[in-house]
This record gives sequence, structure tokens and C-alpha cells, in this order.
Amino acid sequence: AQSVTQPDIHITVSEGASLELRCNYSYGATPYLFWYVQSPGQGLQLLLKYFSGDTLVQGIKGFEAEFKRSQSSFNLRKPSVHWSDAAEYFCAVGATNAGNMLTFGGGTRLMVKP
Amino acid sequence: EAQVTQNPRYLITVTGKKLTVTCSQNMNHEYMSWYRQDPGLGLRQIYYSMNVEVTDKGDVPEGYKVSRKEKRNFPLILESPSPNQTSLYFCASSFAANYGYTFGSGTRLTVV
Repeated sequence: AQSVTQPDIHITVSEGASLELRCNYSYGATPYLFWYVQSPGQGLQLLLKYFSGDTLVQGIKGFEAEFKRSQSSFNLRKPSVHWSDAAEYFCAVGATNAGNMLTFGGGTRLMVKP
Repeated sequence: EAQVTQNPRYLITVTGKKLTVTCSQNMNHEYMSWYRQDPGLGLRQIYYSMNVEVTDKGDVPEGYKVSRKEKRNFPLILESPSPNQTSLYFCASSFAANYGYTFGSGTRLTVV
């Protein structure tokens, strides 16, 4: 069975600083990988996804993520954080041989200091 | 507008009283899924469906039922709700396994 670990429960960065949110997954084959963002009181919005090809993927709102098979990681990055990026971020892995079962990490709550 | 619609948004009920949370999508997606979100536990998949009349259990299916009689609808049924089913529930749909889900706005359920 697949699993996802987001080691950082909370992260605080200053506005304008760079950001990296960590995600490690466990899965036997090449996974589908996703990052979602959830603003307070809202549903989840897809930021970006990876399932093959270029290991550096670009997403919406200036985010990018890099798939590193050797490290089983899919970290999310942004070069300059805006106050509106404050939200909870979820990494998720999809199993290629199990229909559309999607497993989420526990989430990382991002706070942005002015 | 392409969307996943859940109803109701908020629901307070009593233990043992059957309830249904509806979910509908207008994107002709084949895949649909239900998740519950609890503090510190992230999102856990309850059930998912790959097509009409095709459903399968996720990580936490106990106490829940689903049906997929039409492509657009995927209701979540709690036959006898208990307080440990108090949670925030999300319905989601997807075109394909590698596409990523589109999520509804959520249903906050409280069972007293």
C-alpha cells in the first residue's frame, strides 16, 4: 500500500522569502504525485501533478515541485512567498494499479509573516 | 461552471439517525471519491468509484455506504451515524487516475 509523509506540520516564513515543503512517499512503482492547497474553510485546489516525463513540474500560483525517485520525494517550492499563500498544503500519491485510490499526507500548515 | 456540488454544507444529527450526503459533478468524470478530513490525520479515503456500478473501499470504509447508479452522482450514506463520524467530508471527481481530483466545498457533519 502507498503512503505519504509530510514531516513538517507547521512552517512559518516571512513574506518574500523562499519556501520548500517536504513530501516523502512510499510506493513500489512510479506513482502519480500531487500537491493540493486548502485555504481556511475551503475545499482543496490542485496546485500541480506529476506522473511521467520532466521531473520538475510547474503549477499554478508560481509553485513548482521536483520528483526525485532516488529519495522518494516530491518537494514543493516557491521562490517568493506572498501573504495569500498562507494555507494548508497536502501532498498525495496515486497508485497506478489501484483504480483511483489517492492517499494524502497529513498536511503542512504554512503561516506567512509580514 | 465545472464543479463538484455537495449537500448539505453543514449537518448536525443524532446518533443512529440515517443520513445521506449528496454529491454531483457536471464534468462527465468517471472517477469519484469520498474523503473525510480530521485534525492531525489529513484526508482519508472512504470509498471510491471508477464508473457506474463500480465502487471499492478506501482506507476507512467502516460505517459508510455508497452507490453509483448514475455517472454524475455519488451519494455517501451513513446508516447509523456515531459520534466518531463527526468530521469534514469531501467529495471529489476526476477524469482519469493521473488527472488529479476536483473537490467539492465540503460537508461538516456533527453527530451528537
